[in-house]
Amino acid sequence: NAGVTQTPKFRILKIGQSMTLQCAQDMNHNYMYWYRQDPGMGLKLIYYSVGAGITDKGEVPNGYNVSRSTTEDFPLRLELAAPSQTSVYFCATKQGAGNTIYFGEGSWLTVV
Amino acid sequence: GQQLNQSPQSMFIQEGEDVSMNCTSSSIFNTWLWYKQDPGEGPVLLIALYKAGELTSNGRLTAQFGITRKDSFLNISASIPSDVGIYFCAGLANNAGNMLTFGGGTRLMVKP
Repeated sequence: NAGVTQTPKFRILKIGQSMTLQCAQDMNHNYMYWYRQDPGMGLKLIYYSVGAGITDKGEVPNGYNVSRSTTEDFPLRLELAAPSQTSVYFCATKQGAGNTIYFGEGSWLTVV
Repeated sequence: GQQLNQSPQSMFIQEGEDVSMNCTSSSIFNTWLWYKQDPGEGPVLLIALYKAGELTSNGRLTAQFGITRKDSFLNISASIPSDVGIYFCAGLANNAGNMLTFGGGTRLMVKP
């Protein structure tokens, strides 16, 4: 997981609160992704970015927002937290021409 | 959206046995990836497959990219206790953003 840093590692939110999950990478990768993983399930794509200034919706974008003002950072914003957003969130990066995707260590979010 | 069906969902085997799991899709992928996820960690890439029919090994692991480009399998030979974890297949399509789609995972348990 070297090179992709996610913060915070753990967080508990109350319903309706907002927060930002941070993702930073130092590999100068073009592509960045946010996934969520519910218990016992695979990863579902929330948003992705092919480069600074460009973002696109993935499979499950509702309730989230992202921005990509720099190559290094790709924060994920939850504006009005809901219990359905309790999950583990993974940030990932990929070099444009390559196929190896590097994952962060995950952020465990609980909404109560 | 694209769907990956991974099976089996879970396996409980004896140490030393061989293991096989597979993924199928209704869509064509240009790259198939197999990941392993340990508890509390992000997925770690095991094997990447880049062309139809390709058979690739990584130690006791062997994976194949199906000829139709809609399926892939992963075999683990002579399983050991540290093989325990969740294995995910993932497909990468060369559309905008190179979106990675994950299967639901196979939970492997190995009895010493």
